[in-house]
Amino acid sequence: QQQVKQSPQSLIVQKGGISIINCAYENTAFDYFPWYQQFPGKGPALLIAIRPDVSEKKEGRFTISFNKSAKQFSLHIMDSQPGDSATYFCAAGKSGGSYIPTFGRGTSLIVHP
Amino acid sequence: KAGVTQTPRYLIKTRGQQVTLSCSPISGHRSVSWYQQTPGQGLQFLFEYFSETQRNKGNFPGRFSGRQFSNSRSEMNVSTLELGDSALYLCASSLQGAGYEQYFGPGTRLTVT
Repeated sequence: QQQVKQSPQSLIVQKGGISIINCAYENTAFDYFPWYQQFPGKGPALLIAIRPDVSEKKEGRFTISFNKSAKQFSLHIMDSQPGDSATYFCAAGKSGGSYIPTFGRGTSLIVHP
Repeated sequence: KAGVTQTPRYLIKTRGQQVTLSCSPISGHRSVSWYQQTPGQGLQFLFEYFSETQRNKGNFPGRFSGRQFSNSRSEMNVSTLELGDSALYLCASSLQGAGYEQYFGPGTRLTVT
């Protein structure tokens, strides 16, 4: 089974700090890499996604960095806020009609005020 | 636009029974994907329906099935329930398909006793 390895499992940062979550994938055919944010009792929400034609994508305080040769991608949350406290999942798959996503195991982020 | 809705939100069933879960996608979205989320296995892809046709299927036994209606609403059925089927079942809708921007519903929490 194709795997996506996500680390760390949990992360505690101070308000205003940078949160960094990493994911590594195996299948070089994967071409869609989304990040989801999930609050307790809610479904995941798409945060930001990247495709391998770019090495970085930024949306507000959230940035994805993508390293195709290393088969790794990471989520950076700048100026982390207590409201960012949630579980974050990365995923990877080959887009198109045969997309079957594989998810990382999740990172529980706690941002202390 | 109304978001993805799932019914029921909570369900308790007995081992051996069957269950049907319902998902109403965002208006205009033709793709509905189903996922199982458990503490042990994380988020796992069950299947995707696009315009009433199953387009992709994850690695789950045949007890898990689904269908999609002409109005894009989807149902998921699990027959002969096992204790290990206890999970949060999520559906997600998308305009173009699972390999693109997806919007998740709040999930149905299924408990099998």
